[in-house]
Amino acid sequence: AQTVTQSQPEMSVQEAETVTLSCTYDTSENNYYLFWYKQPPSRQMILVIRQEAYKQQNATENRFSVNFQKAAKSFSLKISDSQLGDTAMYFCAFTDNAGNMLTFGGGTRLMVKP
Amino acid sequence: DSGVTQTPKHLITATGQRVTLRCSPRSGDLSVYWYQQSLDQGLQFLIQYYNGEERAKGNILERFSAQQFPDLHSELNLSSLELGDSALYFCASSWGLSNEQYFGPGTRLTVT
Repeated sequence: AQTVTQSQPEMSVQEAETVTLSCTYDTSENNYYLFWYKQPPSRQMILVIRQEAYKQQNATENRFSVNFQKAAKSFSLKISDSQLGDTAMYFCAFTDNAGNMLTFGGGTRLMVKP
Repeated sequence: DSGVTQTPKHLITATGQRVTLRCSPRSGDLSVYWYQQSLDQGLQFLIQYYNGEERAKGNILERFSAQQFPDLHSELNLSSLELGDSALYFCASSWGLSNEQYFGPGTRLTVT
């Protein structure tokens, strides 16, 4: 069974600065997908970014980028130029190559301070 | 807006009762997933349907059941409710068996 671990329960960052959220996972699969989801106070789950394990290039979506280290089974999220609207819970998630369930980490609560 | 809709948004009911949560996936999506988010258990997968057929089961209690209808909407039925069933229930959908899942706004269930 796959497991996903987020070791930082809470983090804070000043507006306009950069912050990195950590995620590690455990799997015996070779092909899989990793995601970061954002859950703001509205509780909506919003897909932020995705990474395919077979791609060496790290995914980027505007101010959000990942550092994917397959050998280390590490998948961190970097948020550049942090904005107040980035305040949310962030969940790292894993799924295999067959369109199956998402396995989530415990989440990191990020507070962006003005 | 993800395009996934869920009703109702909030539900308050008593222990022992039965409720039905409804989900309409994004247009064209064949897969529907149900997840439960509680304070002590985090986000947990319950069950998946693909084009009307049950495809995978997670930590779903026997008191819970689900189905996906020909128009691809899905319902999650929760019966003999207990206080511990209070949680946020999410539906997500994806196209075919692709790996991006888009979540609805959730149904907040409170059992009193």
